[in-house]
Amino acid sequence: EAEVAQSPRYKITEKSQAVAFWCDPISGHATLYWYRQILGQGPELLVQFQDESVVDDSQLPKDRFSAERLKGVDSTLKIQPAELGDSAMYLCASSLARSDSYEQYFGPGTRLTVT
Amino acid sequence: GQSLEQPSEVTAVEGAIVQINCTYQTSGFYGLSWYQQHDGGAPTFLSYNALDGLEETGRFSSFLSRSDSYGYLLLQELQMKDSASYFCAVRDNQAGTALIFGKGTTLSVSS
Repeated sequence: EAEVAQSPRYKITEKSQAVAFWCDPISGHATLYWYRQILGQGPELLVQFQDESVVDDSQLPKDRFSAERLKGVDSTLKIQPAELGDSAMYLCASSLARSDSYEQYFGPGTRLTVT
Repeated sequence: GQSLEQPSEVTAVEGAIVQINCTYQTSGFYGLSWYQQHDGGAPTFLSYNALDGLEETGRFSSFLSRSDSYGYLLLQELQMKDSASYFCAVRDNQAGTALIFGKGTTLSVSS
């Protein structure tokens, strides 16, 4: 069964350092989402891509976060510099198309701890 | 503003039936999805309602009333493996087609 791949699964970094997360969506899925999930909360959208284009990055803290999906396949989310409040689970999800966003497939996530 | 309200915790015993409610206030509405997330795991899609009424998928059913801005997830014949967090999520057309998630309901099933 096809799955969304994410790496690394865990990351510990010191504040002010740079950190990057990678996501490979299910093959053929045009829409890719990055979410942040704080313990005990629901996922919150950071950025949404349609192919290689950003559709929605209104909740992305652009002073420190960046995301790209250069060839419309895999994607990278970067934080620079990391802050203590960035400690969370970062989830990547994909859907076949924007119209299928009600059914998203999530990867296992990257748990980030900033010390 | 936009908000989704669901109970924070629900407890039940094996074999029982439990209903998890979700009320929403969003600027637009395309439909209501439900996701399950086990501890340390990824959210997985359970069901979707775009129209009023009940959708049944095995032991799980989901209901939507657009006029009441209300939906629920019904879990029947509960099993220990159903212990997880359950999230309702709304497609808000003014925010694009991404999902807005509730804070989740933690379901604990005991024997």
